[in-house]
Amino acid sequence: QLVLTQSPSASASLGASVKLTCTLSSGHSNYAIAWHQQQPEKGPRYLMKLNSDGSHSKGDGIPDRFSGSSSGAERYLTISSLQSEDEADYYCQTWGTGTLVFGGGTKLTVL
Amino acid sequence: QVQLVESGGGVVQPGGSLRLSCAASGFTFGSCGMHWVRQAPGKGLEWVAFIRYDGNNKYYADSVKGRFTISRDNSKNTLYLQMNSLRAEDTAVYYCAKGSTYDFLTGYPPDYWGQGIVVTVSS
Repeated sequence: QLVLTQSPSASASLGASVKLTCTLSSGHSNYAIAWHQQQPEKGPRYLMKLNSDGSHSKGDGIPDRFSGSSSGAERYLTISSLQSEDEADYYCQTWGTGTLVFGGGTKLTVL
Repeated sequence: QVQLVESGGGVVQPGGSLRLSCAASGFTFGSCGMHWVRQAPGKGLEWVAFIRYDGNNKYYADSVKGRFTISRDNSKNTLYLQMNSLRAEDTAVYYCAKGSTYDFLTGYPPDYWGQGIVVTVSS
């Protein structure tokens, strides 16, 4: 069964960097994913698509501070030079057979 | 710029019906597949349905199959979600999202989202 697993929460200090993880279930380690950000009380925002080889393509207007990487079944979102507006929920998403599958989301707190 | 504006939400009794609309602008609506995604209170995102650019292919989550119908009117740049036989567990914020290509293709994520509309199913 295709499942994306994310840690429920993460925190980092203003100006620092943070690396969020999304883990693909067994047998799906070559799947591409996408990352979406949801700031409080807002609709989600597409950040990037991330392939299994670590190559990624970002959405319109996404700052260079956001980058992606991959290792095996893990997909990462790294945010550098953290700003207060980066405090948000981050969801990974992939493709099942005729469905989209979302991870449970990681709530990022900027200290 | 791309804009997606949902409407039609509200409070409905269990077993009732509701039709959501999503008005699209800022892109060639008739060339893009479109999604509905929902978020129950305090929960994560759940994909609901997808429709191909011409309306000829539709996909549904198992949780809504047979109860919800996605449709579109390309002449009005509008996406719809007809929701019948509503249940308490359908209570959520419903988002429309623009597909990044014309059909449901692996590797093409939703690339723009609306602000969402609240649907509450309660007696």
